[in-house]
Amino acid sequence: GAVVSQHPSRVICKSGTSVKIECRSLDFQATTMFWYRQFPKQSLMLMATSNEGSKATYEQGVEKDKFLINHASLTLSTLTVTSAHPEDSSFYICSARVQGRSEKLFFGSGTQLSVL
Amino acid sequence: QKEVEQDPGPLSVPEGAIVSLNCTYSNSAFQYFMWYRQYSRKGPELLMYTYSSGNKEDGRFTAQVDKSSKYISLFIRDSQPSDSATYLCAPGGRDDKIIFGKGTRLHILP
Repeated sequence: GAVVSQHPSRVICKSGTSVKIECRSLDFQATTMFWYRQFPKQSLMLMATSNEGSKATYEQGVEKDKFLINHASLTLSTLTVTSAHPEDSSFYICSARVQGRSEKLFFGSGTQLSVL
Repeated sequence: QKEVEQDPGPLSVPEGAIVSLNCTYSNSAFQYFMWYRQYSRKGPELLMYTYSSGNKEDGRFTAQVDKSSKYISLFIRDSQPSDSATYLCAPGGRDDKIIFGKGTRLHILP
């Protein structure tokens, strides 16, 4: 299957700092990438849909100024958690859709964010 | 009614048993159906996908879809300890989105 690389895998930061998470499709082009967060023993919660070359589409209740998404190329999307607070601590996962095959969604390995 | 309902478990079965994981959905607009496996603190991994009602087999895994009753199943034969994970059902095709169930935690006991 297609490979999606996500890093860092783990980050610990102080409250008030910003954290950037990268998501790369290594062997395919991804016009659309998705960002999720997941709390322990909970399902994936879609945060936003990232389209190459355009603004991201955020799900209801997700602050777009808090979670900045940039999808500058067909293989890279970034999520920046700005002014992180302890309540932002979570497991963040990206996924990428194989162009032309909408059912094929491949996931990165996730980033565990801990805000002190 | 939630769009996708899945029993969170945990489901514990002895090694070698047949596992049955189930999921229901409410929106008939879903066109394709997937199962993902997620190990703890890892990203989900696509296991199976199918478009139509009926069965699809891949090795020890069989995905079953009944569109008339909006019911999705995943069967695992000859279960092994390495199958211990959380299994997420994921119907898709509504507004081009994929919706994930909460997942069923499965424990295979050696």
